[in-house]
Amino acid sequence: DAGITQSPRYKITETGRQVTLMCHQTWSHSYMFWYRQDLGHGLRLIYYSAAADITDKGEVPDGYVVSRSKTENFPLTLESATRSQTSVYFCASRETGVTDTQYFGPGTRLTVL
Amino acid sequence: GDSVTQMEGPVTLSEEAFLTINCTYTATGYPSLFWYVQYPGEGLQLLLKATKADDKGSNKGFEATYRKETTSFHLEKGSVQVSDSAVYFCARRTGNNRKLIWGLGTSLAVNP
Repeated sequence: DAGITQSPRYKITETGRQVTLMCHQTWSHSYMFWYRQDLGHGLRLIYYSAAADITDKGEVPDGYVVSRSKTENFPLTLESATRSQTSVYFCASRETGVTDTQYFGPGTRLTVL
Repeated sequence: GDSVTQMEGPVTLSEEAFLTINCTYTATGYPSLFWYVQYPGEGLQLLLKATKADDKGSNKGFEATYRKETTSFHLEKGSVQVSDSAVYFCARRTGNNRKLIWGLGTSLAVNP
């Protein structure tokens, strides 16, 4: 299917475990983003990537790791999950150039017990 | 620093009522401005945008005008429907064109 997909859609894990959230887009967009959405905080940028093998920190990168070996994939790893990382995570992508429109995935709801 | 401020919600309206959601921004220069909408259980999607001062973005009956004098980009709709119930986010482009700066979102509930 064309578009941007995230997996899993729901995940429950325990404190201290490693978790990887997957993001895949079929448009070959250069830019990809990871956000977390929490009540009272809106959307906060965790990491973003301008191209394969180029990543940069956003507002709240601590406790997260990203990689981008292929243009279409941008996984987000929580190396040792904490309760404060319970959130809804959104991946987004956009093209390089004049257009600014970001296209969002459906989100992953992560619960850390 | 650069920021986007939206009116706090939740906003509750009856069907066919007039909607205004306020958004103001701080910026150097005139960045592109956006409204995104998030329907329940979904990701965000672009609703409308304006790329320069005095531009009006419009889509699905929603409108917003880029007002440089008041640094505002208020969202309006003349007659809301139950299906407009969602969270609305205002955003602006950053100076280096790589990211968006987001408001906190305003939840809208429309009752029949």
